Amino acid sequence: GAVVSQHPSRVICKSGTSVKIECRSLDFQATTMFWYRQFPKQSLMLMATSNEGSKATYEQGVEKDKFLINHASLTLSTLTVTSAHPEDSSFYICSARSPGGNTEAFFGQGTRLTVV
Amino acid sequence: AQSVTQPDIHITVSEGASLELRCNYSYGATPYLFWYVQSPGQGLQLLLKYFSGDTLVQGIKGFEAEFKRSQSSFNLRKPSVHWSDAAEYFCAVGKAGTASKLTFGTGTRLQVML
Repeated sequence: GAVVSQHPSRVICKSGTSVKIECRSLDFQATTMFWYRQFPKQSLMLMATSNEGSKATYEQGVEKDKFLINHASLTLSTLTVTSAHPEDSSFYICSARSPGGNTEAFFGQGTRLTVV
Repeated sequence: AQSVTQPDIHITVSEGASLELRCNYSYGATPYLFWYVQSPGQGLQLLLKYFSGDTLVQGIKGFEAEFKRSQSSFNLRKPSVHWSDAAEYFCAVGKAGTASKLTFGTGTRLQVML
């Protein structure tokens, strides 16, 4: 149980275009999902917290208009990188937790975004 | 605010040797602590976690970690390393007393010599 799936695993897009990354909880309902970013050879940094049916909460320094997060259902959150630029190239990874109690979150396999 | 320090950026051990990866955290209350492993280009795999109770935690792949409150540490150990253990290891602590929103350390890259 507790499987989180991310799609796509890799994506290459042209500079100036937008790209959407999906994070799905396959066998549980996730009221809260988290989005992290990992630059090459660096650690993971939390970008935002996504709550089903409400606006996402962004960490300091993360541009909410550039990284659009939608959590429209209990099993799906999406991250859209708008007007992507080469500096947005990174590894994006989501995690999801089930409702009730202080439980851990489960990670997806990540998405490698390359902006050319 | 909570933080995690992994003092060793890179460690090299011989196959069959023992391993200890260091992790120090900063948090006022009892933390939720995790160790993850990441192979190149891959996602995160949870090795083990500490929430409460027994301070010596057993994980997958023969790993264990010990929570030491007095030293604010949660070091990862393995008695005998295998070549397949070569990867990046991340220690993480739950933000603001949660178990799901994490602050990660900078990671330790483990290289295994055959």
